Amino acid sequence: SAVISQKPSRDICQRGTSLTIQCQVDSQVTMMFWYRQQPGQSLTLIATANQGSEATYESGFVIDKFPISRPNLTFSTLTVSNMSPEDSSIYLCSVASAPGSTDTQYFGPGTRLTVL
Amino acid sequence: QKEVEQNSGPLSVPEGAIASLNCTYSDRGSQSFFWYRQYSGKSPELIMFIYSNGDKEDGRFTAQLNKASQYVSLLIRDSQPSDSATYLCAVERGSQGNLIFGKGTKLSVKP
Repeated sequence: SAVISQKPSRDICQRGTSLTIQCQVDSQVTMMFWYRQQPGQSLTLIATANQGSEATYESGFVIDKFPISRPNLTFSTLTVSNMSPEDSSIYLCSVASAPGSTDTQYFGPGTRLTVL
Repeated sequence: QKEVEQNSGPLSVPEGAIASLNCTYSDRGSQSFFWYRQYSGKSPELIMFIYSNGDKEDGRFTAQLNKASQYVSLLIRDSQPSDSATYLCAVERGSQGNLIFGKGTKLSVKP
């Protein structure tokens, strides 16, 4: 499986500010995804990061709040904008080599965000 | 009805016993099913995936799928204290690889 890194691993931020999280993969992958895991909860898909086009957002998530970039097949960023304490969560990127049922998703180590 | 449902647990089993984790899903068109293990403070790691009805075995782990009943399970044989974690069931939605996760079942294996 691919080796996935995320930066930063954790951060404490003030409300109203923004944080950009980076996801780097050691090999080219077709699909990259961003998830959120709130305290004590399971994973919720935020969006699919599409290379060369706009991200595809899930219901309840919007581009103004969570802008995403995917400049190439090994890198993506997620920005959490105008943060509030409710954004405190673990943010995870995941990758898959191909869409659909022929491949599996692997997760990065996550970014633990605390908003004060 | 939630898309993917799991008992939250905790499920407590003695060391050496079989742990049985269950998951039901609502989308009858789902084709791919995954089990992830998540230790506290860590990210999920893939344990098994299953696409076809029946059983799939990998070491001490067996995944079972029954599409007619919309049910998928994970059996862990000879449970070890190191198996203590939260187990997440995930179902692929659509053709683009989007995974819908259950809330997870917390497993505790007692020495």
